[in-house]
Amino acid sequence: ETGVTQSPTHLIKTRGQQVTLRCSSQSGHNTVSWYQQALGQGPQFIFQYYREEENGRGNFPPRFSGLQFPNYSSELNVNALELDDSALYLCASSFKRTAYEQFFGPGTRLTVL
Amino acid sequence: DQQVKQNSPSLSVQEGRISILNCDYTNSMFDYFLWYKKYPAEGPTFLISISSIKDKNEDGRFTVFLNKSAKHLSLHIVPSQPGDSAVYFCAASGAPHASGGSYIPTFGRGTSLIVHP
Repeated sequence: ETGVTQSPTHLIKTRGQQVTLRCSSQSGHNTVSWYQQALGQGPQFIFQYYREEENGRGNFPPRFSGLQFPNYSSELNVNALELDDSALYLCASSFKRTAYEQFFGPGTRLTVL
Repeated sequence: DQQVKQNSPSLSVQEGRISILNCDYTNSMFDYFLWYKKYPAEGPTFLISISSIKDKNEDGRFTVFLNKSAKHLSLHIVPSQPGDSAVYFCAASGAPHASGGSYIPTFGRGTSLIVHP
């Protein structure tokens, strides 16, 4: 059974650029959630995708968007990058949207200069 | 406005002793509580959970206690082992039916536990 994988591991961008982060969910999981973890903070919920549709959203602006594909893999897109977007971005999958336990990937470390 | 608070950024414990990690919350609508453990360069991994209808849940060396009236939960690790050294996150969620059918956790900032041999 393959766990949650994320790519890339690290990424450096400049302010104003756009970035796409990718996540492959654990086999059999149909729900994917994305989190932003700033330095010294806990993970903060960005949004969740269930069966290719957004199923909940945290307090993040519209320039944070996502996609879920038929194989349940997912992308997080961030437009017009700001310095404060520098963080660890975590993807988590669960076997159903009401499952409390989530399985996290190792994250993508994004640095915005 | 932090709804889930872990007021101790770090905790140092001797191997074999008890580790107690604390978590407070403010939202009375929280219905389910979890603890995650995170090692460096890895994502958080689920450790143990408790529903609001219970006041204790045990899994091996790990026990979570919930005091709803005080809006407080704690994680006890007995006995502590050096491999337990990690960052521990407390997370809380309302019932899925109250959030569009999905489980959306709110995390605390984490407590870094160091267990000395």
